Amino acid sequence: ETGVTQTPRHLVMGMTNKKSLKCEQHLGHNAMYWYKQSAKKPLELMFVYSLEERVENNSVPSRFSPECPNSSHLFLHLHTLQPEDSALYLCASSQDGHLSTQYFGPGTRLTVL
Amino acid sequence: GQQVMQIPQYQHVQEGEDFTTYCNSSTTLSNIQWYKQRPGGHPVFLIQLVKSGEVKKQKRLTFQFGEAKKNSSLHITATQTTDVGTYFCAGPSDGNKLVFGAGTILRVKS
Repeated sequence: ETGVTQTPRHLVMGMTNKKSLKCEQHLGHNAMYWYKQSAKKPLELMFVYSLEERVENNSVPSRFSPECPNSSHLFLHLHTLQPEDSALYLCASSQDGHLSTQYFGPGTRLTVL
Repeated sequence: GQQVMQIPQYQHVQEGEDFTTYCNSSTTLSNIQWYKQRPGGHPVFLIQLVKSGEVKKQKRLTFQFGEAKKNSSLHITATQTTDVGTYFCAGPSDGNKLVFGAGTILRVKS
């Protein structure tokens, strides 16, 4: 299952740090997503890009900033995060828009100290 | 907004026992998808159901879509330790996006 890759797999950062998460999909899909998965909570959709244009932003705080330079790459830039932002951040892609089967990457386990 | 509810939240079974998780939507769904996430892993697509009353099987897994297209179930016959993980259902919302249920965590005692 290497269709969607994410780096880094683990990240520990302080509240004043700036870091970026990277996602790459090798499936030729047109849509990419960022999800947040916290303990005991449903998967939370953060951002959706379709054909490199952002089509959904689910009221995510501005300390999370996505970037989609092309249909294969997606970034999540992080700055001045809070400890409650600690979670598993999953990238996914799909052939078309929101309703297509989601192919998830392995995730980045983020800890904010 | 539209909600997708899953029950139970958690189930611990003896190896060889059957397991069922249920998914209920507050609105009619055009389709429903099921995913499995192993401990420490990421969600992996299992199947999609589209038709009212549809039943699909994958080896020991049986998926059903209700006649009213508002509920679905996943049944595992004779569970094995490889079945452990969290099973999620997901359905399209009013806003035309995929909404995931909270998942059912399955643990299997050998």
